[in-house]
Amino acid sequence: DQQVKQNSPSLSVQEGRISILNCDYTNSMFDYFLWYKKYPAEGPTFLISISSIKDKNEDGRFTVFLNKSAKHLSLHIVPSQPGDSAVYFCAASEGTDSNYQLIWGAGTKLIIKP
Amino acid sequence: KAGVTQTPRYLIKTRGQQVTLSCSPISGHRSVSWYQQTPGQGLQFLFEYFSETQRNKGNFPGRFSGRQFSNSRSEMNVSTLELGDSALYLCASSLDTRRNSPLHFGNGTRLTVT
Repeated sequence: DQQVKQNSPSLSVQEGRISILNCDYTNSMFDYFLWYKKYPAEGPTFLISISSIKDKNEDGRFTVFLNKSAKHLSLHIVPSQPGDSAVYFCAASEGTDSNYQLIWGAGTKLIIKP
Repeated sequence: KAGVTQTPRYLIKTRGQQVTLSCSPISGHRSVSWYQQTPGQGLQFLFEYFSETQRNKGNFPGRFSGRQFSNSRSEMNVSTLELGDSALYLCASSLDTRRNSPLHFGNGTRLTVT
């Protein structure tokens, strides 16, 4: 029973255009969400996060949108660059700082075409 | 600052054997988490240690165990290896246990069980 789903295993986008990566969750108690990026042969690196008290968080070219009623979040990358080609994971958690677990999606492989 | 170091990078073991993986966190980081990643699956949480104490444990059998030392270095042990244990094992460290404290991952140990 996957609580966090990334339904697109891969996505191909032209360089310079917008990349939109999607993530759906089933647990309405999730209140903190993160995106990580992973290059081959490396561990994931933190990209951006959002708390459920917000519906948008922006950091440079990266923006995460949260739609709580739809239990959906998305990561927008504008403009897309070749170095953005990687696997992107979304993760979610509920609970307090002293007691929580991160639940991860299966990842979406983003390919930026030159 | 040196990143998270995991050793060894690659390991090949035979079914029934046991294995120990090592993780050295970023200096000053006191929280260490372990994850298993298999193809098509997200990261599956194994356990988290903070100040030598296991804080959280995922849904894995007792064959998977870990520990943390006083210098925050951590080890993970898998006994009686099964073919299904073949995976990338990732260690992550963070400054503390707060949810908004980003995880810093090592490059992983690729375990192959034959």
